[in-house]
Amino acid sequence: RKEVEQDPGPFNVPEGATVAFNCTYSNSASQSFFWYRQDCRKEPKLLMSVYSSGNEDGRFTAQLNRASQYISLLIRDSKLSDSATYLCVVTLNTGNQFYFGTGTSLTVIP
Amino acid sequence: DADVTQTPRNRITKTGKRIMLECSQTKGHDRMYWYRQDPGLGLRLIYYSFDVKDINKGEISDGYSVSRQAQAKFSLSLESAIPNQTALYFCATSGLWGNTGELFFGEGSRLTVL
Repeated sequence: RKEVEQDPGPFNVPEGATVAFNCTYSNSASQSFFWYRQDCRKEPKLLMSVYSSGNEDGRFTAQLNRASQYISLLIRDSKLSDSATYLCVVTLNTGNQFYFGTGTSLTVIP
Repeated sequence: DADVTQTPRNRITKTGKRIMLECSQTKGHDRMYWYRQDPGLGLRLIYYSFDVKDINKGEISDGYSVSRQAQAKFSLSLESAIPNQTALYFCATSGLWGNTGELFFGEGSRLTVL
C-alpha cells in the first residue's frame, strides 16, 4: 500500500471557483504534512505546511484529520496562475524521509 | 543563481552507458536526497544522505549508486543505464529536523536512455 494517496484528477475549474483536494496517508506514525506545488516541467516547491489546528494562507486553507488520516487543501477564488500539480507530502516521526503522493492536476479555465 | 544546482539538465544516452548526475547546493544544508519522477508514480526516493559519511538507500536504489563528496555535493550514478531509468531526476536538500522540514529542489535532470 502506498504511504500517500491522492486523486490524480485532472480537476478543470473556472476562474473564481473553489476547489478542494484530499490526500490520505497510511501510516499512523506520520508526523509532518505538507502541500507542494509543481508547475509543468519544473521542480516542486513548498506551498504550505499543514498543522493539526488547520492553517490558512490567503486563498489557501489546509486541514489535517489525524483520526481519519487525511489532509486537505482548499483553494478559493481560483486564479489562472493556480494551474499546477499539487503534491501531498508526509513524513514519519523518524523525520528521515518525505513521502510524496502522485499529485493532483489542476487547470483553471478562463 | 539557484540554491540547488543539477547538471546536466538534459541527457540522452544509450543502454549500458555509465551516467553521473551531479548536484551542488549553497544552502548549507546537511541533508541531501535524490528522487526520480515518473508519470503516474510521483516522486520516489532513490538515496539520501544526512552528512558526508552517511549514505542511505531509499525506496528504489537498485541500479543506482551515490557519492557524497562534500557537504555541498551529492552525485548520483547509473553504472549501466537501462531504458526504464528514463525519468526526471531531482536532487533536494533540507535543513536539520526541527525547522520547517521543507525540501528545496534543484531544477531537475531529464534523462533518456535509448
